[in-house]
Amino acid sequence: DAGVIQSPRHEVTEMGQEVTLRCKPISGHNSLFWYRQTMMRGLELLIYFNNNVPIDDSGMPEDRFSAKMPNASFSTLKIQPSEPRDSAVYFCASRRGQGTGTEAFFGQGTRLTVV
Amino acid sequence: GENVEQHPSTLSVQEGDSAVIKCTYSDSASNYFPWYKQELGKRPQLIIDIRSNVGEKKDQRIAVTLNKTAKHFSLHITETQPEDSAVYFCAASIGTGGFKTIFGAGTRLFVKA
Repeated sequence: DAGVIQSPRHEVTEMGQEVTLRCKPISGHNSLFWYRQTMMRGLELLIYFNNNVPIDDSGMPEDRFSAKMPNASFSTLKIQPSEPRDSAVYFCASRRGQGTGTEAFFGQGTRLTVV
Repeated sequence: GENVEQHPSTLSVQEGDSAVIKCTYSDSASNYFPWYKQELGKRPQLIIDIRSNVGEKKDQRIAVTLNKTAKHFSLHITETQPEDSAVYFCAASIGTGGFKTIFGAGTRLFVKA
């Protein structure tokens, strides 16, 4: 298994532009998470999906952020318009099972820089 | 919602000494507590986990303890080695239709040779 795959690995964009981050979870995993990591705030949970349905998006900072999971093998996190304070590493993670806690596997992350 | 606090934020030990990282959580319904290690520029990876029906778990030089009454859990690393240097995150998971995992702020561990 290739693990959780994120793209792009690095993204540099100008303020005001739309940014789309992509994630392919591990096959068979039914929960998917988007986290944002910064030095100041650590690992923040933005949103998570279970069986492709958004369960909790209370961590999404504002309306400029949106996430979708159209099928079990693909999710996107979109920022429109982007701002310099959105600069961070964005991780996608997936996990199998829902009846009990299990390990979440992280992708390599997307390092976003908004200038 | 769940809140996880982690201490210390930075820890420096001599090679061979032990390191202890402590976390507290707020939601008594949390029932799964993983620990992740993140090396510089890499993704977080699970190193050990514990469930709420267990008080202690050990895997070679790493052990975790859980006190459900006090809502505390700790990571213990014995005989530390330079390759243990990394950022360690504790987390708590609560089952709300899929198990939301909330992370602590992280502890940067330095092991001096």
